[in-house]
Amino acid sequence: DAGVTQSPTHLIKTRGQQVTLRCSPKSGHDTVSWYQQALGQGPQFIFQYYEEEERQRGNFPDRFSGHQFPNYSSELNVNALLLGDSALYLCASSLRVGEQYFGPGTRLTVT
Amino acid sequence: GEDVEQSLFLSVREGDSSVINCTYTDSSSTYLYWYKQEPGAGLQLLTYIFSNMDMKQDQRLTVLLNKKDKHLSLRIADTQTGDSAIYFCAEATGGYQKVTFGTGTKLQVIP
Repeated sequence: DAGVTQSPTHLIKTRGQQVTLRCSPKSGHDTVSWYQQALGQGPQFIFQYYEEEERQRGNFPDRFSGHQFPNYSSELNVNALLLGDSALYLCASSLRVGEQYFGPGTRLTVT
Repeated sequence: GEDVEQSLFLSVREGDSSVINCTYTDSSSTYLYWYKQEPGAGLQLLTYIFSNMDMKQDQRLTVLLNKKDKHLSLRIADTQTGDSAIYFCAEATGGYQKVTFGTGTKLQVIP
């Protein structure tokens, strides 16, 4: 049984560009959450998707948007990239409350 | 709002017990988690406790919850060098289980 997978592993972008990160949840999981983890910090909640809808959102600007597909996989899009968007982006999936499993993350570097 | 605090660093000798502490502010927390993160990796769910429990034991791991003081601890018995990592405490709040993480405690195990 595959766990949570994310692609790409690493990404380098230039300021002002746009980026799309992808996540496939653990088999059977229907809820996907995205987190941003800056170096030396704990993960910060970006948003959560359930039944293809954004169910709740953290304190991130509208430049951060997402999508969930009928097969429960998800994308995170970031527009107009800033240097401060450089971070590890983590996807987590869950089915039942209490068990949230994380993928290995995508390391985004903005130059 | 939610806030989770942890000490930054803990050093123990191999074979000793480690105790990592965490305090949180939101009294409506439903679940409290401990995650482990090794360098360059995603987060591994170690264990979690429901907010109406006082203690949970899982092999070498013991979680203690003092809801009155909003204090959570993780005890690792017989600490091994492979336990060296950053440990994150996190709480889930709200109907949709938004998860807030602490800044992490770096555990160093000395052989």
